Amino acid sequence: DAKTTQPPSMDCAEGRAANLPCNHSTISGNEYVYWYRQIHSQGPQYIIHGLKNNETNEMASLIITEDRKSSTLILPHATLRDTAVYYCIVRLSNSGYALNFGKGTSLLVTP
Amino acid sequence: GAVVSQHPSRVICKSGTSVKIECRSLDFQATTMFWYRQFPKKSLMLMATSNEGSKATYEQGVEKDKFLINHASLTLSTLTVTSAHPEDSSFYICSAGWGSGNTIYFGEGSWLTVV
Repeated sequence: DAKTTQPPSMDCAEGRAANLPCNHSTISGNEYVYWYRQIHSQGPQYIIHGLKNNETNEMASLIITEDRKSSTLILPHATLRDTAVYYCIVRLSNSGYALNFGKGTSLLVTP
Repeated sequence: GAVVSQHPSRVICKSGTSVKIECRSLDFQATTMFWYRQFPKKSLMLMATSNEGSKATYEQGVEKDKFLINHASLTLSTLTVTSAHPEDSSFYICSAGWGSGNTIYFGEGSWLTVV
């Protein structure tokens, strides 16, 4: 799997958009970009994933650059409950492939 | 999303005993499940890939005789920590893939404390 690079930590004011960047310059053509988050002492929660096109769901938006070497996860209106470690992972879309976690970005949403 | 459930959520056992953690896919069938462990303030580390009806595949450095994995059905995988020691105390998490893109969903995790 391609490796990813994320900033170790970020702050965001409550109600503002949180934009979490991720670099994956060695991503291959058939690897997807997945985002998960982990709130303290819980299992990781799936947020969103994409291949080439931008994606949006009820939780977040995923913006993938045209060359696919980087992406940004956007939480449009961050709340205190969004405080968590966010992981950007690239992976082949096949049930036999595990997710390999890096260190992620620790997002702190402040009042 | 799909639901993966683990049991127990917390367990305390004595050093030298064995403890079993169950991972169930509640609303889908999972041919493959994955087991992770996580130490405090560290990231998740993949321990093994559990395949239904066959032997698990362990990551380098993970003792297969110590961490026994059984995946006897499409909805249940178990991790047994044998002859547990205090250094085995950790957060153990399982996951399984489902749906388009084979998105992986995680269980709630199981805290193991060996005293």
